[in-house]
Amino acid sequence: NAGVTQTPKFQVLKTGQSMTLQCAQDMNHNSMYWYRQDPGMGLRLIYYSASEGTTDKGEVPNGYNVSRLNKREFSLRLESAAPSQTSVYFCASSRPPGGLYGYTFGSGTRLTVV
Amino acid sequence: AQTVTQSQPEMSVQEAETVTLSCTYDTSESDYYLFWYKQPPSRQMILVIRQEAYKQQNATENRFSVNFQKAAKSFSLKISDSQLGDAAMYFCAYSPYGGGADGLTFGKGTHLIIQP
Repeated sequence: NAGVTQTPKFQVLKTGQSMTLQCAQDMNHNSMYWYRQDPGMGLRLIYYSASEGTTDKGEVPNGYNVSRLNKREFSLRLESAAPSQTSVYFCASSRPPGGLYGYTFGSGTRLTVV
Repeated sequence: AQTVTQSQPEMSVQEAETVTLSCTYDTSESDYYLFWYKQPPSRQMILVIRQEAYKQQNATENRFSVNFQKAAKSFSLKISDSQLGDAAMYFCAYSPYGGGADGLTFGKGTHLIIQP
């Protein structure tokens, strides 16, 4: 089925390790997003990309970097993981404006930093 | 910046009864979109219902309906004939009319429990 694919689904890291969360969509959407979800906090925007080659910071960008490799792929990198980055991460995409055409979410990545 | 507030961390309802989840938001824009998302234990984000702010008519999707009060900046979700499968986290969310860098702004969520 068409949609947003995130890998991996689960990951455990040691403090200081690095990793990249991968996200790909096959709906030809221009906009892609990374969110983190913490208990009692809802989903908060980390980074956003309106198109290939462009990225913008969201509400909680510190400690993260992103790459919009092409129209399909938008990756999130943790250079030096910290326990505060333990969270569930969601990738989403939309055809702008997202409010009109809707947002499609991936199934999430549960990341634990020990 | 826009903010979305869900004042009920948890709600409980008997199966087959009606429950209303509350949401308020703050924005200086006149045109925007509002959403309710359901997140079951599977973690998947499922769109329940959407409302365009420029439409006065309240959106309805089967057993789900909203009460949209634009002047009061209120957007509540009513679930009629509650079913066990409705048990989940429910998130209210806001999106600007033109899309843009903000994407969706979410509330903190309401955990809905269905009592059999």
